[in-house]
Order: sequence, then structure tokens, then C-alpha cells
Amino acid sequence: QVQLVQSGAEVKKPGSSVKVSCKASGGTFSSYAISWVRQAPGQGLEWMGGIIPIFGTANYAQKFQGRVTITADESTSTAYMELSSLRSEDTAVYYCARNGFKYSSSSGWFDPWGQGTLVTVSS
Amino acid sequence: QSVLTQPPSASGTPGQRVTISCSGSSSNIGSNTVNWYQQLPGTAPKLLIYSNNQRPSGVPDRFSGSKSGTSASLAISGLQSEDEADYYCAAWDDSLNGHYVFGTGTKVTVL
Repeated sequence: QVQLVQSGAEVKKPGSSVKVSCKASGGTFSSYAISWVRQAPGQGLEWMGGIIPIFGTANYAQKFQGRVTITADESTSTAYMELSSLRSEDTAVYYCARNGFKYSSSSGWFDPWGQGTLVTVSS
Repeated sequence: QSVLTQPPSASGTPGQRVTISCSGSSSNIGSNTVNWYQQLPGTAPKLLIYSNNQRPSGVPDRFSGSKSGTSASLAISGLQSEDEADYYCAAWDDSLNGHYVFGTGTKVTVL
């Protein structure tokens, strides 16, 4: 069974960037998309974008275009999400999740999920 | 912002049946399958229902999903205390080059 383990909590200053990692183990990595979803305190879930590691091309939610970069390293079965120009509203728990369909980043479901990474943006 | 609308809360006593609605549009629920996620307090979301009405291995058959047109629903029969959680519907949306949209979320309380 695939398991996704994310990097630890981060505290960042406004205007800086953060890079969160998501390491997969126990299953196929390259052919299934990894998506990133965030959840602000007390709020709902918001999809940010995803990548199919074997293709290396990411697609992003329009809201985050130009500010988020999602990459993947097949050699270490790790996906990354980098968010720049951080502001206080970016304080949230960031999750990675694997898409349910092979070779597709725009269909299917998310399973499993990583444990989440809290990113706090504060001066 | 969420484009799938859910009631903010639902409740029931143990053993009761609770239903959660999810309303979307032709570009999301009307064109794609619906998934449901359960989020217990302080934990990551967990896939509960996929492809409208399919349960992943390990999910009790007390949980069931359905879809009609641009709406979907999740039913919990035989409500149990451990079902107290937030529930989110979700679907791919064909607008804006394809993106995944979540519902607003429903907090289920077991009285």
C-alpha cells in the first residue's frame, strides 16, 4: 500500500517562499499524479495543483498560477510544492494526495493522503 | 472558493440515517464523477466514496453515495459515534483547463 510522508512544519515570513516535500513509499510513484490540497484554519479544502511524475508537467489551479510550483523527483519518489510570495492568508495545512487513475492529473479521486504540513506565515 | 454547496451541518442520534447533499453545476458534477472524503478532527482527509457510489476497501457499507444530474448525496445509515466528522464532496471541473473542486463541507454531529 502506498504511503505518503510529508516534511515537517514551517514558519515563514511574509514575502518568502516555502517548499514542502511528499515522499511516497510502498507502491508505484511515477505513473500516478500527486496533487496538493490546502486547508486554512477552520476552513475547507482547496486544490492547488498536481503533477504526474513520469511526465513532469504540472497543472495548477488558476488562483495559484504564477505563485506555486509543483515538481517531482522520480529517483527519490518525492513530490514537492513550492509556494512563493507568502502572505498571512497562506497559513494553512498543506496535504499531498495521490490520484486514483494512472497517467491522469485531471480525473479520479485522491487516495491516500499525506499527514499534512502546517505552514505558518507570520512576521 | 468552493463551487460545490453542502449544508454546513447535519446531526442524528446513534442508529439514525443522515443524508448530506452536494450541489454543483454542469461543468463539475454534471460532467464528472463525485467523490466523498471524511475528515476526523485533527487528521488528514480520507477517501470515503469514489466514482459516485464506490466504497474503498475497509469503508463500512453504512456509507453510500449517489448522484443525479448536477447533485450528489452521501448517506450514513446506522449512525455511530465514530462517524462524527467533517464530510466533503468533490469533483473535477472541466472549466479553466480542469481543476478539482471541493464542497463547502458538512459537520456531522452524533447527538
